[in-house]
Amino acid sequence: QQQVKQSPQSLIVQKGGISIINCAYENTAFDYFPWYQQFPGKGPALLIAIRPDVSEKKEGRFTISFNKSAKQFSLHIMDSQPGDSATYFCAAHGQGAQKLVFGQGTRLTINP
Amino acid sequence: DAGVTQSPTHLIKTRGQHVTLRCSPISGHKSVSWYQQVLGQGPQFIFQYYEKEERGRGNFPDRFSARQFPNYSSELNVNALLLGDSALYLCASSSGQYSQPQHFGDGTRLSIL
Repeated sequence: QQQVKQSPQSLIVQKGGISIINCAYENTAFDYFPWYQQFPGKGPALLIAIRPDVSEKKEGRFTISFNKSAKQFSLHIMDSQPGDSATYFCAAHGQGAQKLVFGQGTRLTINP
Repeated sequence: DAGVTQSPTHLIKTRGQHVTLRCSPISGHKSVSWYQQVLGQGPQFIFQYYEKEERGRGNFPDRFSARQFPNYSSELNVNALLLGDSALYLCASSSGQYSQPQHFGDGTRLSIL
């Protein structure tokens, strides 16, 4: 119940296209869902996050869609750019604990 | 403002040795958490410290320990190193015990020979 399942494992998108990464969880106690972006040799950097009381959050080209009943959430990157090429991790956080549970990661490549 | 800083950047040890990794949180942040990231996987939670006390522990053996100092910086100690301890060790800080988001440093790359 502590797992977060992420797909796809890798993704190749053309410049200007839409990148979509999906995550699913089981634990209904999770109350905060961040997405992190990680470049080689760097730590994860917070990209965008959502709480389960909203179904969508948009920040610039990045959008999280959240489906509470299906226990799924996804990251959409609009107008994908070569600089977006990185590994993306979804994560979930439970009430009363600081532990983040991460998905397995998606390696995104944007072709110019 | 400085982000989360970790030292050293890279470290090479041999099996059976001991290692100490250090973390300074973002100024004003009182919570520090440690994660282990094995190559090709997502980070795994090891510990959280808040106000110098352990507030959470992941599924790691007792060879792993940590502490937090009055200035909120933290050390992660690993004893009797195994080959499987080779990983990127990440430190994350947040303002309060349960507050989000957590901000990560760039980690310490530990290689065990």
